[in-house]
Amino acid sequence: AQSVAQPEDQVNVAEGNPLTVKCTYSVSGNPYLFWYVQYPNRGLQFLLKYITGDNLVKGSYGFEAEFNKSQTSFHLKKPSALVGDSALYFCAVRARTGANNLFFGTGTRLTVIP
Amino acid sequence: DTEVTQTPKHLVMGMTNKKSLKCEQHMGHRAMYWYKQKAKKPPELMFVYSYEKLSINESVPSRFSPECPNSSLLNLHLHALQPEDSALYLCASSQEPDGNSPLHFGNGTRLTVT
Repeated sequence: AQSVAQPEDQVNVAEGNPLTVKCTYSVSGNPYLFWYVQYPNRGLQFLLKYITGDNLVKGSYGFEAEFNKSQTSFHLKKPSALVGDSALYFCAVRARTGANNLFFGTGTRLTVIP
Repeated sequence: DTEVTQTPKHLVMGMTNKKSLKCEQHMGHRAMYWYKQKAKKPPELMFVYSYEKLSINESVPSRFSPECPNSSLLNLHLHALQPEDSALYLCASSQEPDGNSPLHFGNGTRLTVT
């Protein structure tokens, strides 16, 4: 069975400071990992994905994420937060074989304080 | 702006009504999805169409009936819904139905069942 955990419902960070949104996963074999962002009353927007190769993945809007196989984590990071980054962030995992539905974490609401 | 277009944006319907949600993409994607999202929750997969054929039905009640008329269109027909079906219904597409293709989401239809 596959699952995704986002341990923090809410993350607050001051504008200009680095931000981290945490994600851990459980899946058989090597996973495909994704981050999505959702603004109010909008659909989800794809930010970045890890498929294979370099553990540090760079994505849209200056976001990046680091795949850590030993810790089964895929934390989302940004060096300097913007007020406009305030949104709901979802981590998602997909198995490479078998039933490979995309499973979403419960989401983390990021608030960047001016 | 999203490349997946959903109509209508908002829908209010009674429990005896019949209505349809529509989704359209012109990116040449070969997989299309319906998700249901309740407030402050992650999206839940309902249906997946792969090359215009229904490939996944996540045990969705028969009052929800999907249809894929062609590779660009996806409909969700609604009949005899319950108030607990009120939610944001998201359509998504991906280039291929395999695991590493990111999903592109529409902005959703906000459904209220009275």
